[in-house]
Amino acid sequence: SQKIEQNSEALNIQEGKTATLTCNYTNYSPAYLQWYRQDPGRGPVFLLLIRENEKEKRKERLKVTFDTTLKQSLFHITASQPADSATYLCAQRDGSSNTGKLIFGQGTTLQVKP
Amino acid sequence: DAGVTQSPTHLIKTRGQQVTLRCSPKSGHDTVSWYQQALGQGPQFIFQYYEEEERQRGNFPDRFSGHQFPNYSSELNVNALLLGDSALYLCASSRSPSEAFFGQGTRLTVV
Repeated sequence: SQKIEQNSEALNIQEGKTATLTCNYTNYSPAYLQWYRQDPGRGPVFLLLIRENEKEKRKERLKVTFDTTLKQSLFHITASQPADSATYLCAQRDGSSNTGKLIFGQGTTLQVKP
Repeated sequence: DAGVTQSPTHLIKTRGQQVTLRCSPKSGHDTVSWYQQALGQGPQFIFQYYEEEERQRGNFPDRFSGHQFPNYSSELNVNALLLGDSALYLCASSRSPSEAFFGQGTRLTVV
């Protein structure tokens, strides 16, 4: 079955540095991957969608890459700020249906220290 | 636009009880999906409603049921609550398969 794996260990970095989060997928080649931000006790907030034919996508300080050979997406936050501290979720669409059902990774928690 | 709204925000129930959670989708959205998120885990798909019918279901027991109303709002019902049902329940609305807007969630605690 489809599976999404994210590094479950928290990522701690210093303010101003670039944070890089990893998402690996198996058993299915998604047409696109999505990244969400989730604050404690809140619902996920959509950040970026990258399609399989897009190697890279940017939005302000965010950059996402999609490597179909490695079956991996990388999520970068440049010039990180304490306000970027949150859990980041990677998701792919369920390939067995066309309903938009999402399959999520377990998320990686980012802590940016001032 | 109010976005996706869920109620209540928090809920405490006793084992064996029944609970109903509610969701109002974003304006213009006709599809509602429900997810369960245990602490430290990613959201897990419960089911999706479209045109008042359950269109797809995840790997959850029949104790989990739902409904969608003509105005596209939705309810999630859980019967015979177990301690393991304690989680953040998320509602997501969409009008196309490539998008999902989530509500703030309902934190359910079963004691």
